Amino acid sequence: DAKTTQPPSMDCAEGRAANLPCNHSTISGNEYVYWYRQIHSQGPQYIIHGLKNNETNEMASLIITEDRKSSTLILPHATLRDTAVYYCIVRVQTGANNLFFGTGTRLTVIP
Amino acid sequence: GAVVSQHPSRVICKSGTSVKIECRSLDFQATTMFWYRQFPKKSLMLMATSNEGSKATYEQGVEKDKFLINHASLTLSTLTVTSAHPEDSSFYICSVSGSSYEQYFGPGTRLTVT
Repeated sequence: DAKTTQPPSMDCAEGRAANLPCNHSTISGNEYVYWYRQIHSQGPQYIIHGLKNNETNEMASLIITEDRKSSTLILPHATLRDTAVYYCIVRVQTGANNLFFGTGTRLTVIP
Repeated sequence: GAVVSQHPSRVICKSGTSVKIECRSLDFQATTMFWYRQFPKKSLMLMATSNEGSKATYEQGVEKDKFLINHASLTLSTLTVTSAHPEDSSFYICSVSGSSYEQYFGPGTRLTVT
């Protein structure tokens, strides 16, 4: 699986949009971009995934650049409950379907 | 998405004893489940892939005789930490794979070995 690079930490004001970047410059054509988050002392939570088109669901939006070398996860209106570590993972949708977690971005939403 | 439970949520055991952790897929038949371990302030590390009806596949460096995995049904996988030592103290998390290869995780089990 290709590696990803994320900033170690970010702050966001409550109610504002949180934009979390991820670089994956060595991503292959058949690799998807997945985002998960982990709130303290809980199991990770699936957020969203995409291949090349932008995606949106009830939790977030995923913007993937045209060259697919980077992406941004957007939480449109951050709340205190969004404080968590966010992981960007690139992987193919075959085989064992396991995930390899990097260090992620620790997002702190500030009141 | 799939709902995954783990039991117990927290366990304390003495060094040298064995501990069993259960992972249940409550609304999804999971032919494959995954077991992860997370040390404090560290990221999740995949330990093994649990396949229903067959032997688990372990990641490099994970001792299969110490971490026994049994996946006897489509809804239950168990991880047994045998002869536990304080260095086995960790947060153990299981997951199941969804229809689009996303994974749904259990709430985790915090093991403390004294």
